[in-house]
Amino acid sequence: EVRLVESGGGLVRPGGSLRLSCGASGLSFRDAWFNWVRLAPGKGLEWVGRIRRRDEGATTDFLQPLRGRFSISRDDSKNVLYLQLNRLTTADTGLYFCATEHWYSVNNWGQGTLVTVSS
Amino acid sequence: QSALTQPPSASGSPGQSVTISCSGSSSDIGAFDYVCWYQHHPGKAPKLIIYDVNKRPSGVPDRFSGSKSGNTASLAVSGLQAEDEADYYCSSYAGDNSFYVFGTGTKVTVL
Repeated sequence: EVRLVESGGGLVRPGGSLRLSCGASGLSFRDAWFNWVRLAPGKGLEWVGRIRRRDEGATTDFLQPLRGRFSISRDDSKNVLYLQLNRLTTADTGLYFCATEHWYSVNNWGQGTLVTVSS
Repeated sequence: QSALTQPPSASGSPGQSVTISCSGSSSDIGAFDYVCWYQHHPGKAPKLIIYDVNKRPSGVPDRFSGSKSGNTASLAVSGLQAEDEADYYCSSYAGDNSFYVFGTGTKVTVL
């Protein structure tokens, strides 16, 4: 069974930074593509970005407005995925999920970690 | 890329059916047969219940079915059960510039 566990969320002031982690088990981590998706209060899900396999260059794609502020990386030796959030604004407040991707579907999800941006 | 549009709420009595619509555009739902539906009980991990418009992952009951017509996708839930009460989200692949777009979400209540 695939299990994804996010961590690293918390309260941060506007302009601050945060690094989220996602530990994975029950899958071949190095063969997986990973996505981050967020759920803002009172809004729907929003795709944040994704990272390909290391043998594909671990290249990343992002929601266009987030490019340059957010970055995704992976540590295949630890089975951990990361999301670096920089220059945070209140609009970035929400529950952040990591998830695997397989052939155009975001399939296995974690329970999320909450990011609150507030002064 | 705009979010896909879903009705905020839907409801039905146990045993009844409910259908949720998901309206997109010719750049997402209309362009690709990569529509997914997710069930989310708050506090838990979202669960994929439909992929590729109308396919069910292993273990998902056949009470859940998906379809698509033009720029609109739909999720039908028949034989409603108490545990079906949850938030439901659609998503669509939207090409190599926008990647994935999600719906606004529909809260299903079992009366």
